[in-house]
Amino acid sequence: TQLLEQSPQFLSIQEGENLTVYCNSSSVFSSLQWYRQEPGEGPVLLVTVVTGGEVKKLKRLTFQFGDARKDSSLHITAAQTGDTGLYLCAGVGNQGGKLIFGQGTELSVKP
Amino acid sequence: DSGVTQTPKHLITATGQRVTLRCSPRSGDLSVYWYQQSLDQGLQFLIQYYNGEERAKGNILERFSAQQFPDLHSELNLSSLELGDSALYFCASSVSGRTEAVEQFFGPGTRLTVL
Repeated sequence: TQLLEQSPQFLSIQEGENLTVYCNSSSVFSSLQWYRQEPGEGPVLLVTVVTGGEVKKLKRLTFQFGDARKDSSLHITAAQTGDTGLYLCAGVGNQGGKLIFGQGTELSVKP
Repeated sequence: DSGVTQTPKHLITATGQRVTLRCSPRSGDLSVYWYQQSLDQGLQFLIQYYNGEERAKGNILERFSAQQFPDLHSELNLSSLELGDSALYFCASSVSGRTEAVEQFFGPGTRLTVL
């Protein structure tokens, strides 16, 4: 069974700080997606990375896919209170192509 | 607003009962995906339908079933409910029939509480 492990599970920081969230697996994924979920709402897709070593930037968010396509990271620069939420990584595995989600990282950015 | 609607928003029922969750996909989307999100299991893929046909199956229990109707809305039926079925149930939709690596638009979810 393919698993995605996210770390840390919880992160509480001050506005303006930088942070990195990790998504790791012992298995290879053909692509990885990052979602953000706010309380009472469904996840919203932020980015999809498909090539090993790929780096994508979305304003203050930088996403990286590991060379071996087993891990990914999300780096947020100068966090804002609006970044607060649950960040989920999801990988396309070898089990019929279904999306496999990590447990999520609960981010709290305090003013 | 993703354009995906789910009803009801909250559902409270008793063990042994049966409930139906409803999802309307975004206009033009042919695929509907169902997910279960619980504190201990995280977000788990249950099942996907594409244009009325079952396309992929995940960790869906035999007590659960789903279908997609000609107007493309979908229903998830949960029967013989147990306490452990309490969770958030999300529906997502996409244009593509592919199961993976496509942008899926999630609805606001239905919170099911089994007492």
